[in-house]
Amino acid sequence: QVQLVQSGSELKKPGASVKVSCEASGYSFSDYALNWVRQAPGQGLEWMGWINTNTGNPTYAQGFRGRFVFSLDTSVRTAYLQMSNLKADDTAVYYCARAGIMGAPGAFDIWGQGTTVTVSS
Amino acid sequence: DIQMTQSPSSLSASVGDRVTITCQASQDVTNFLNWFQQKPGKAPQLLIYDVFNLGKGVPSRFSGSGSGTHFTFTISSLQPEDVATYFCQQYDYVPYTFGQGTKLEI
Repeated sequence: QVQLVQSGSELKKPGASVKVSCEASGYSFSDYALNWVRQAPGQGLEWMGWINTNTGNPTYAQGFRGRFVFSLDTSVRTAYLQMSNLKADDTAVYYCARAGIMGAPGAFDIWGQGTTVTVSS
Repeated sequence: DIQMTQSPSSLSASVGDRVTITCQASQDVTNFLNWFQQKPGKAPQLLIYDVFNLGKGVPSRFSGSGSGTHFTFTISSLQPEDVATYFCQQYDYVPYTFGQGTKLEI
């Protein structure tokens, strides 16, 4: 079964760091890019960027450069989103999503279940 | 950034109705336009990619059309399980951007 399984909810204080994981199974990990998408409470979807699972090269959307880092551990078929110096505005559900349709890099066909990150003092 | 504007923002319809949602892009996005469905508390699901192609396992009552800056998503016969929020998304330009969503109720 093709799936992405994310790590559990996190409660962090402002200024802290957090690392969210996204473990892939059921397909060849390096064949498809992984994207990260944020959804603030009651809000829409915001694309954060993507990571090339073949080369490990990340690409960040403008608002996610600096405090956000995408990485991989291919030995365990897992992608990571690390966020530092957390702010209350970072409170959101974070999704990883596979770009699984050849020729359609924006067509996210498999999604993780989401990881809720709450930033509160 | 490309702005994606959906209308309506919310919609109430009856089972069996034909439902249409529109998505307007601030610039030509060619045919790089997808539609996602998100049910409460769940991750989004890809319904349609590249304007009109159905995602894997997606029922044929869902369809899409359009080109350039104006796109349409249609449910031909609304079912109870279609209660959800629907998002359009362009990926012609980075950053990929989503519409604000259309909440569909029965």
